[in-house]
Amino acid sequence: GVTQSPTHLIKTRGQQVTLRCSSQSGHNTVSWYQQALGQGPQFIFQYYREEENGRGNFPPRFSGLQFPNDSSELNVNALELDDSALYLCASSPEGVGATEAFFGQGTRLTVV
Amino acid sequence: GEDVEQSLFLSVREGDSSVINCTYTDSSSTYLYWYKQEPGAGLQLLTYIFSNMDMKQDQRLTVLLNKKDKHLSLRIADTQTGDSAIYFCAESGDDKIIFGKGTRLHILP
Repeated sequence: GVTQSPTHLIKTRGQQVTLRCSSQSGHNTVSWYQQALGQGPQFIFQYYREEENGRGNFPPRFSGLQFPNDSSELNVNALELDDSALYLCASSPEGVGATEAFFGQGTRLTVV
Repeated sequence: GEDVEQSLFLSVREGDSSVINCTYTDSSSTYLYWYKQEPGAGLQLLTYIFSNMDMKQDQRLTVLLNKKDKHLSLRIADTQTGDSAIYFCAESGDDKIIFGKGTRLHILP
C-alpha cells in the first residue's frame, strides 16, 4: 500500500517541513493533496516519472520530488498557520484519470 | 470550472438504506469515485464507475450515474454502525481528482 511519514507533525510559523510518501510498488504516478479541517482534499501537484505533471492552485513554496525507488517528498517552505491540514499522498500506475488512485493515511501538520 | 457538490450531513437508522447524492460539473470526467474517510484516517476508495456506465453494484453498495444531469449517487444497503464516516464524491480531471466537501453519515440506533 501507500505509506506516509510522519503521521503527525508540529511546526512553527516560518519553518520548513518535508513530508514523505512511499508509493505502491510499480506505481509511477504520485499526487499530493491538502485536506483542511472540514473540507475535501485539494490537489497540490502530481509527479510522473520524477517530473511535475500538473499543479493545483498552490504557491511555489510548495514543492515536491519523486525518486526512482517509489518514494516521494512534499516540501513546504515558510510555513503559515493556514498550512495546518492533513496532507495526503496518492499513487497510481498510469495517472489519475486512467485508473484508481490509492491514498496513504496522511500526515497531519499543525503550524503554531 | 470544475466543481463537485454534495450535502454535508445525512442521518440514517441502523438497518435502513443510506443514499448520498452528488452533482459534478466536468462532463469530460472519465471516472467518478466514492471515497470513505473514518475519523483520523486517510481516504479509502469504496468504488468507482466509468463515465459510460449507468450503474455499478458491489455487495451492499450501488452507484447510480445520470450523465445527462451530472448526478451521482451512492446507496448503502442495510446501513451498519461501521458505515459511520465521511463520504467523498469525486471526479477525475486531467491530472487530478476533484473532491466534494464530503457527506458525514450518522447512524441512529
